[in-house]
Amino acid sequence: QKEVEQDPGPLSVPEGAIVSLNCTYSNSAFQYFMWYRQYSRKGPELLMYTYSSGNKEDGRFTAQVDKSSKYISLFIRDSQPSDSATYLCAMIVNQGGKLIFGQGTELSVKP
Amino acid sequence: SAVISQKPSRDICQRGTSLTIQCQVDSQVTMMFWYRQQPGQSLTLIATANQGSEATYESGFVIDKFPISRPNLTFSTLTVSNMSPEDSSIYLCSVAQPGTGYGYTFGSGTRLTVV
Repeated sequence: QKEVEQDPGPLSVPEGAIVSLNCTYSNSAFQYFMWYRQYSRKGPELLMYTYSSGNKEDGRFTAQVDKSSKYISLFIRDSQPSDSATYLCAMIVNQGGKLIFGQGTELSVKP
Repeated sequence: SAVISQKPSRDICQRGTSLTIQCQVDSQVTMMFWYRQQPGQSLTLIATANQGSEATYESGFVIDKFPISRPNLTFSTLTVSNMSPEDSSIYLCSVAQPGTGYGYTFGSGTRLTVV
């Protein structure tokens, strides 16, 4: 079993839709949770990060962490074609520690 | 956030040869990380490189195959040695992002094809 599971998709939605991306994990020691966005032929770009359980909002993006269920989510409101990319969840136990990635979900937002 | 320059951006190499990938950061960082992203797969950590000490390799990766140098706090190299087609991947360097404590910044990657 992988430490972090993420549905690879692909996921295709119309412009303006609400997108929900999810990851589950098995290691209860993870404390820091991140979402990266990776455009084709580019390196991953840090999108959001949260510590422990709770919600964090940044513009059209909301990250949720439920440590009791070992489940994290990223919501994208009013999705745009420019949001088309691969989204990777990632998590670590301690600051400066080994970053564990999910497989990534390929998202396509159609105009 | 830190800006990472990675060279080369892509290369096509013959099997049996070696390629050295360079990673330059615009600020001093303690820890640098090297990842591999195989086609359609997620990122896998190869090793952690600290300045002034030997790199720490993850399970399945060895120094003879992936030697790493870290001569100062802004620069590192990863060499892929004695390449085979199975080494065809994207190789990325990463540093801890200042100010977040646990966010990591990535270079744009080196797309390697071994023929």
